[in-house]
Amino acid sequence: KAGVTQTPRYLIKTRGQQVTLSCSPISGHRSVSWYQQTPGQGLQFLFEYFSETQRNKGNFPGRFSGRQFSNSRSEMNVSTLELGDSALYLCASSLGGLRYEQYFGPGTRLTVT
Amino acid sequence: DQQVKQNSPSLSVQEGRISILNCDYTNSMFDYFLWYKKYPAEGPTFLISISSIKDKNEDGRFTVFLNKSAKHLSLHIVPSQPGDSAVYFCAAIAGAGSYQLTFGKGTKLSVIP
Repeated sequence: KAGVTQTPRYLIKTRGQQVTLSCSPISGHRSVSWYQQTPGQGLQFLFEYFSETQRNKGNFPGRFSGRQFSNSRSEMNVSTLELGDSALYLCASSLGGLRYEQYFGPGTRLTVT
Repeated sequence: DQQVKQNSPSLSVQEGRISILNCDYTNSMFDYFLWYKKYPAEGPTFLISISSIKDKNEDGRFTVFLNKSAKHLSLHIVPSQPGDSAVYFCAAIAGAGSYQLTFGKGTKLSVIP
């Protein structure tokens, strides 16, 4: 079974621009979560989607948004990029229900200049 | 306020010996715990999990122990192998139906041949 895929793997953007990252979960997984990893803050939860509905949101500004499609694929968007948004963005998928294990993709490395 | 703490940033162990990675948490609402392994430039890989109704879970060379009264869990790897060298993250989930993982900062394990 194919794992979680994320595109693109690397991205360089300029401050003030916006960016969209994409995630395809493991087949059959209905829950998709997004995390940000930085050297200073570690791994931090952004949001989680299940059946196209956002169920949980982390402590990030409104510039960070996401959505999930009917095929469980998910996108996250960051508008008005800041230098501090440079990070590894990780997507994870889970079966849902009482199966809490999340399986991560390789991540998208975003660099804001 | 760090709710999941991994107080040892690094650990070195001889090949064949036991590796013990520790994790403490402060949030009494956490009821499911997971360990992940991460190599550079890759997403975290799920290793093993434990529910708060158990105090031990084994999977091959990996065993997780949970001490709820002390709010402490540990991951034992026996025997340690050079391929186990990676950063290990402890993560916790609070409440039924929540998929928000709260991560520790990680412990870098080096297994010396």
